[in-house]
Amino acid sequence: AQKVTQAQTEISVVEKEDVTLDCVYETRDTTYYLFWYKQPPSGELVFLIRRNSFDEQNEISGRYSWNFQKSTSSFNFTITASQVVDSAVYFCALSGGTSYDKVIFGPGTSLSVIP
Amino acid sequence: ETGVTQSPTHLIKTRGQQVTLRCSSQSGHNTVSWYQQALGQGPQFIFQYYREEENGRGNFPPRFSGLQFPNYSSELNVNALELDDSALYLCASSPPPGQGAGAEQFFGPGTRLTVL
Repeated sequence: AQKVTQAQTEISVVEKEDVTLDCVYETRDTTYYLFWYKQPPSGELVFLIRRNSFDEQNEISGRYSWNFQKSTSSFNFTITASQVVDSAVYFCALSGGTSYDKVIFGPGTSLSVIP
Repeated sequence: ETGVTQSPTHLIKTRGQQVTLRCSSQSGHNTVSWYQQALGQGPQFIFQYYREEENGRGNFPPRFSGLQFPNYSSELNVNALELDDSALYLCASSPPPGQGAGAEQFFGPGTRLTVL
């Protein structure tokens, strides 16, 4: 069975601090995809990144970076120099093993950035 | 490029009633997925429609049903509403399957359903 765990329920940081959101996944599939989505208070899920299981290169996009480690089944997300606009719920998600796009979401981490 | 739209924004129903939620997919996308997000939880996959047929389903009872129309828009129908059906219902569109699981999904703003 597929499962995504986000152990941090809530995180609070002061603006300009760096913060890492943890994600651990479980799957028996050899081919799978990992995602991060952001859900601001408005409720709409915003796509941040997709990574397939064969690409373990870390990725950086502006203040965002992702660390994918298959050996520990982790796909962690770091925000550098956090800003108030980063306040949101962040979901790690997993799909794979089916011919359709069933995405399994983790429970989410609520990030509050305090000015 | 038109994004995913959903209607209505909010809805209040009573237990036992039926509800229909609507979704218009992003331009060029012909696959639609529906998710239920209870308060404080991550979204849960309900089902996916491709070429007007159900293409995959999560662990939801048959009273959750859907339709997809030739223009790729979709409906989610829930019969015999229960209190636990209160949630945010999200629709997502994506390129067609066949590219393998993992296509990027674009989400709409959701419909907030309250069952009293």
